[in-house]
Amino acid sequence: DTGVSQDPRHKITKRGQNVTFRCDPISEHNRLYWYRQTLGQGPEFLTYFQNEAQLEKSRLLSDRFSAERPKGSFSTLEIQRTEQGDSAMYLCASSLGVLTHYNEQFFGPGTRLTVL
Amino acid sequence: AQKVTQAQTEISVVEKEDVTLDCVYETRDTTYYLFWYKQPPSGELVFLIRRNSFDEQNEISGRYSWNFQKSTSSFNFTITASQVVDSAVYFCALSEAGTGRRALTFGSGTRLQVQP
Repeated sequence: DTGVSQDPRHKITKRGQNVTFRCDPISEHNRLYWYRQTLGQGPEFLTYFQNEAQLEKSRLLSDRFSAERPKGSFSTLEIQRTEQGDSAMYLCASSLGVLTHYNEQFFGPGTRLTVL
Repeated sequence: AQKVTQAQTEISVVEKEDVTLDCVYETRDTTYYLFWYKQPPSGELVFLIRRNSFDEQNEISGRYSWNFQKSTSSFNFTITASQVVDSAVYFCALSEAGTGRRALTFGSGTRLQVQP
């Protein structure tokens, strides 16, 4: 069974470095989402793709953050010039989007980022 | 703006007790979806249920049941005869489908500890 996978699972970096995370959604899912979760909080939405189009971005997604889904399959999330406040769990989710129906999002295991 | 409130930060029960997790939401949309997710100690969010705003029927799935009341903007979750394996953080989430947005807005979660 191939659920949502994320790589790496853990990343430790120094402040100011760039990091990139990868997400592979469930294969038939056309929608892909990124969320960020800090300790003791619920996930916060960052951005959403339908196929390769980035359709929605949160105000949380500052200029240092960029996400891509070039072929409508896997996605990458890059953080440039990392700050200690970026330390969090980055979650990816996918869903099967149908026009008249809203399907649940399935989440990956997350990438835990620690910025020193 | 949409908002989800889970006022109970942590609940501790003894095995076989029934427990109810509260969720109150705010939205101006008339078409929306409500969700419950479980986050066990392993960290991966697990989808439990989706409900749309037009369906107020309560739902039961094994030991789990959900009570949706639009009049009080609540979507509460009850676990009957709790078990140690139910120990996890539970999140309620909302999506305003009427605007075409796909992002989930999560509450801050309720940590449930079931003691043997």
